[in-house]
Amino acid sequence: DGGITQSPKYLFRKEGQNVTLSCEQNLNHDAMYWYRQDPGQGLRLIYYSQIVNDFQKGDIAEGYSVSREKKESFPLTVTSAQKNPTAFYLCASGVSASEQYFGPGTRLTVT
Amino acid sequence: AQSVTQLDSQVPVFEEAPVELRCNYSSSVSVYLFWYVQYPNQGLQLLLKYLSGSTLVKGINGFEAEFNKSQTSFHLRKPSVHISDTAEYFCAVSNFGNEKLTFGTGTRLTIIP
Repeated sequence: DGGITQSPKYLFRKEGQNVTLSCEQNLNHDAMYWYRQDPGQGLRLIYYSQIVNDFQKGDIAEGYSVSREKKESFPLTVTSAQKNPTAFYLCASGVSASEQYFGPGTRLTVT
Repeated sequence: AQSVTQLDSQVPVFEEAPVELRCNYSSSVSVYLFWYVQYPNQGLQLLLKYLSGSTLVKGINGFEAEFNKSQTSFHLRKPSVHISDTAEYFCAVSNFGNEKLTFGTGTRLTIIP
């Protein structure tokens, strides 16, 4: 069953802790993306990767880090430097920007 | 730079009535346009896309959209909505050669029984 998986669906952390969100795809896509969604603001691009071992900052990369060691995996770390980390995080993969498929999302709550 | 404007944050519609969700974009070069749907606490699903060719694009679930270059618009329409269409709808744009999608702020469609 092909697709994109994100785990966990809900994540709770204390302020000051780093947390890593998982994103895995078995669609054989080269490109992977991380978005942040806040109410009334749509989706904003955090990081994207077009090939293994390479990634670029999106529009709101501050306080986040990523790695792309395998084609199938693109984990996102929300660091303690991110001032407002509570949000819904969406991972996507695709052949290009014109063909992106989204995972189910992870809702992160930091208190 | 590219941008997308969805003027209506919420649209209530009676069941079986038609609906139009508005999307306007700004870009200095040729664009690709998309509509995505998001059901509560889920990811986004592609409804339809315009890459080139016919300006009237048909998608899933009976939705269609028309690309209007002169008005820089890509409005989404459905002739008769159903309760199951209740969701948030996002318009998005990318440019040829640009690997990034830019999303609008979304329109929440509420179907009234």
